[in-house]
Amino acid sequence: EVQLVESGGGLVQPGGSLRLSCAASGLTFSTYWMQWVRQAPGKGLVWVSRIKYDGSITNYADFAKGRFTISRDNAKNTLYLQISSLRAEDTAVYYCGKDHWGMIDFWGQGTLVTVSS
Amino acid sequence: QSVLTQPPSVSAAPGQKVTISCSGGSSNIGNNNAYWYQQLPGTAPKLLIYESNKRPSGIPDRFSGSKSGTSATLAISGLQTGDEADYYCGTWDSGLSVGVFGGGTKLTVL
Repeated sequence: EVQLVESGGGLVQPGGSLRLSCAASGLTFSTYWMQWVRQAPGKGLVWVSRIKYDGSITNYADFAKGRFTISRDNAKNTLYLQISSLRAEDTAVYYCGKDHWGMIDFWGQGTLVTVSS
Repeated sequence: QSVLTQPPSVSAAPGQKVTISCSGGSSNIGNNNAYWYQQLPGTAPKLLIYESNKRPSGIPDRFSGSKSGTSATLAISGLQTGDEADYYCGTWDSGLSVGVFGGGTKLTVL
C-alpha cells in the first residue's frame, strides 16, 4: 500500500524558511515523478511543483519560481520542498503526491504551514 | 482565477444524478487527460477518476468521467449524503509545463 507522510510544517515568521519532507513507502520511489500541491485555508487546490524520478527535471508554478525548491533523496525515499522568504500568502496545507501523467494518484495527508508574526 | 473552470456549487436530492463540468483549453484538457478528486471536509483529496474516464480500484461505478474537446465532466449517480464534498478537476498543461486545477465544486445532497 502506497503511503506518503508529510512533515516539517509549523508556525514560521514572515521572511523565514522551511523545509517540508514527504516520506514515501509501499512504492519504488526512485521510479516515480513526485509533486507538491498546496491549499490555503478555505480555498482550492493549487499546483506547486513536480520533479522527475531522478531529480533531473523540475517544474514550478509561476508563484513558486525563485523561492521554492523541490528535491528528492531516492536513497531515503523522501521528497522535499524548501521554501524561503515566507509570506503570509504561503499559509496553506502542503500535500505531496505521487505523479500520474502530470497529476496525482496518491496523496499524503498534508502538513500545515502557517506564516505569521 | 483558476485555469480550469468549474461551477462553484451543485446540488441534488439523494438518489438523483448530478454532473460537474470542467472547462479548459487546448493546451490542458484539450491535449491531456482529466483527473477528478473528491475532498471530504478536513481530509486530503482522493483520486476519483484518472485518464478522463477510468476509476481506481475501490471507487464505485456511480462515479464516471468523460471528456470532449477542451471540457471534462464528472457524473455522480445514485447520490448519497456521504457524497457531500468538494470536487476538483485537474490536468497537466503542456503549454505552460505546470499542473492546473479547477476552482472546485461544492456538492450538496439535499
